[in-house]
Amino acid sequence: KNEVEQSPQNLTAQEGEFITINCSYSVGISALHWLQQHPGGGIVSLFMLSSGKKKHGRLIATINIQEKHSSLHITASHPRDSAVYTCALQGGSEKLVFGKGTKLTVNP
Amino acid sequence: ETGVTQSPTHLIKTRGQQVTLRCSSQSGHNTVSWYQQALGQGPQFIFQYYREEENGRGNFPPRFSGLQFPNYSSELNVNALELDDSALYLCASSHRRGEETQYFGPGTRLLVL
Repeated sequence: KNEVEQSPQNLTAQEGEFITINCSYSVGISALHWLQQHPGGGIVSLFMLSSGKKKHGRLIATINIQEKHSSLHITASHPRDSAVYTCALQGGSEKLVFGKGTKLTVNP
Repeated sequence: ETGVTQSPTHLIKTRGQQVTLRCSSQSGHNTVSWYQQALGQGPQFIFQYYREEENGRGNFPPRFSGLQFPNYSSELNVNALELDDSALYLCASSHRRGEETQYFGPGTRLLVL
């Protein structure tokens, strides 16, 4: 069983829709990262969470440590949000264990 | 812009050759991790260096080795290249404190023929 599971694997939305990407994990962690990778682009760190909720612009990330679950929300989605979104677990060191990613396509 | 650079951006090698990939981290980032990302897959942890010492290793054979230097640069060396080594190689750096964002470089795309 994978330590980290993401859903959905692929997501297609219309511009303006509210988007949720989920991440569940089965191990103890010190933090969880949400990362974004545009086609042909580099990996960008969006959030690092150890509890609660963080918001940056139209992006909101939440984590429930007891339930071992995190979500990434995008409000008022835009075609430029089209990218692969990946959650990654951080244990005691800075080593990251990556989920398989969610490919988001936002159509105009 | 993460302040982490990697070189070269692209590289083509043949099977059996050796390759050295380079990463330059932000000043003060004592920890650097290297990841291998095969096409269509998520990154896999290769190893991590902290203050010039190996600090953890993933499931990669010994022909993958690394170095970290006092000037916050590091190297990933791969000997006896195999076709399956073709991938994007990423480095990520951070301060070694409990809760710090990791900063990823743009990666080096290696093709082994």
